[in-house]
Amino acid sequence: AQRVTQPEKLLSVFKGAPVELKCNYSYSGSPELFWYVQYSRQRLQLLLRHISRESIKGFTADLNKGETSFHLKKPFAQEEDSAMYYCALREGFKTIFGAGTRLFVKA
Amino acid sequence: EPEVTQTPSHQVTQMGQEVILRCVPISNHLYFYWYRQILGQKVEFLVSFYNNEISEKSEIFDDQFSVERPDGSNFTLKIRSTKLEDSAMYFCASKYWEDNYGYTFGSGTRLTVV
Repeated sequence: AQRVTQPEKLLSVFKGAPVELKCNYSYSGSPELFWYVQYSRQRLQLLLRHISRESIKGFTADLNKGETSFHLKKPFAQEEDSAMYYCALREGFKTIFGAGTRLFVKA
Repeated sequence: EPEVTQTPSHQVTQMGQEVILRCVPISNHLYFYWYRQILGQKVEFLVSFYNNEISEKSEIFDDQFSVERPDGSNFTLKIRSTKLEDSAMYFCASKYWEDNYGYTFGSGTRLTVV
């Protein structure tokens, strides 16, 4: 079965520290991967997608097919980055979400 | 920026009752979805809808569930006879095209079955 794994439920870092949110996937074809973010009391929103190779709010994510990973990184975390982050894999008409990682950036 | 709108934000219903969750997708979007998230668990796919029919549904989406786009603007999810385990946050989402763009999600409806 296709699957998305986010091994950390909670990640706590200090402001200014680098952050890496891990995501591993299993997929038999060519994966289409996304990161979604949910800030407190806000809706789930798309952060970035691997196909566009973009950097949003200082975050980047590189698809590593050899390691089947799509980790989300930011060199210097900010307090406003505190949120729930979901890695997601598109399969046909549906998207499979990971369990999510709560990022807490301490002042 | 256009938004997906969901109503109500919170619905409490008695077990066995029917509920209808409403969504207004972005006006030029063509693909519509329902997801749910039971408290503390993953966001799970329920159903996708395109061209006035279901394009894919999950195992969760059994005969108790149905979707409709009754008037070209609303997109509804009906649960015929609610069970306690239907208590969850239900998210509507839409996309212009079924490709590698992400969804635009609504803010969700929290359904509590008592």
